Amino acid sequence: QSVLTQPPSVSGAPGQRVTISCTGSSSNIGAGYDVHWYQQLPGTAPKLLIYGNSNRPSGVPDRFSGSKSGTSASLAISGLQAEDEADYYCQSYDSSLSGYVFGTGTKVTVL
Amino acid sequence: EVQLVQSGAEVKKPGESLKISCKGSGYSFTSYWIGWVRQMPGKGLEWMGIIYPGDSDTRYSPSFQGQVTISADKSISTAYLQWSSLKASDTAMYYCARRFDRLGELSNPFDPWGQGTLVTVSS
Repeated sequence: QSVLTQPPSVSGAPGQRVTISCTGSSSNIGAGYDVHWYQQLPGTAPKLLIYGNSNRPSGVPDRFSGSKSGTSASLAISGLQAEDEADYYCQSYDSSLSGYVFGTGTKVTVL
Repeated sequence: EVQLVQSGAEVKKPGESLKISCKGSGYSFTSYWIGWVRQMPGKGLEWMGIIYPGDSDTRYSPSFQGQVTISADKSISTAYLQWSSLKASDTAMYYCARRFDRLGELSNPFDPWGQGTLVTVSS
């Protein structure tokens, strides 16, 4: 059961900016636990995109950015490209479950 | 290069047992937690549990406690996920991933990930 809620899908034209929300609760994001984001291209394993709410691993384009406020976090993709078409997941820690939790996932479609 | 390589796809019948593996290389295997994640067909990611190969300390998600067993053999830098009696509902892709530890943080990301092992359970 996912305790982090994301919109099922978002779409945008090439070059546009899209945002994906990740809504949690007082036992995970709202408790101050960091949020991380993953990109899963079709048929491949997830890849770390953003860690610690807003940090990009080496090699991740600066078109991707993350933020966190209260019980929610967001991933923004600016200058949308065809290669960004993928599923995106947020992840955090939940104190009531004493473990890690993933978001429900969002499919990004480039129109 | 830090790498996790998982064992190949499996096709099993309900009631059979199974153990899949995840071999780490390019880093000190005993110093990093390894997690397991399930992805059912067309669905999202679910965290199953995590193990510290250095002392085999293991934690499970409440959803998977008692359903699977996570273990590790540090002598061959390999983590395992096993079932004693498979069900059709265990059909999924299973990923292992190394926890990327940051000093003082409880919520840590997972990087890198293995390529995944597809488990199909069908009579």
